[in-house]
Amino acid sequence: EDKVVQSPLSLVVHEGDTVTLNCSYEVTNFRSLLWYKQEKKAPTFLFMLTSSGIEKKSGRLSSILDKKELFSILNITATQTGDSAVYLCAVRLSGSARQLTFGSGTQLTVLP
Amino acid sequence: DAGVIQSPRHEVTEMGQEVTLRCKPISGHDYLFWYRQTMMRGLELLIYFNNNVPIDDSGMPEDRFSAKMPNASFSTLKIQPSEPRDSAVYFCASSSLRTGGIDYGYTFGSGTRLTVV
Repeated sequence: EDKVVQSPLSLVVHEGDTVTLNCSYEVTNFRSLLWYKQEKKAPTFLFMLTSSGIEKKSGRLSSILDKKELFSILNITATQTGDSAVYLCAVRLSGSARQLTFGSGTQLTVLP
Repeated sequence: DAGVIQSPRHEVTEMGQEVTLRCKPISGHDYLFWYRQTMMRGLELLIYFNNNVPIDDSGMPEDRFSAKMPNASFSTLKIQPSEPRDSAVYFCASSSLRTGGIDYGYTFGSGTRLTVV
């Protein structure tokens, strides 16, 4: 059975801290890994990773994939209270299937 | 583009009643997905369609759940009869590979929060 595991389940930090969120996966026929941010509403897309070792960056957020060790990390530097959210990792398999398998998410709380 | 539109935003119903959730995908997207999110199980795929045809409904929990996509711009998820354990947030998402052949992931709707009492 395909599995996506995120850690930690929750994290509380203060503004300005740097955080690293982890996502490991065990799936057949991996195609890509996606990160989403979910506040009170729908998940919003952050990054899609398909190749190992290539960092994706958007402002204070960055992510990298290791296809050999089957994991990805999401880094957030200089955290702000607006970064408080659930961060979801999802894996898409190759082939014609288009569905995503999600991890349980990491609840990040950034205190002022 | 208005994005993926779901209705209603909130639904409270009594056990045993029929519930219908609605979704309008982004125009031009040829994939539509229904997900359910609970604290216990996270985001789970229920069913997805490609060009209005159901491709994989293995995530549909039981026969009480059914989904249709009569045309490219509308889909419904129906629960009949509803039970308290169906309480969750139901998300619709749409996707397409046509944007330069690059997969940017899904676009989710705002969800329908269903409470069955």
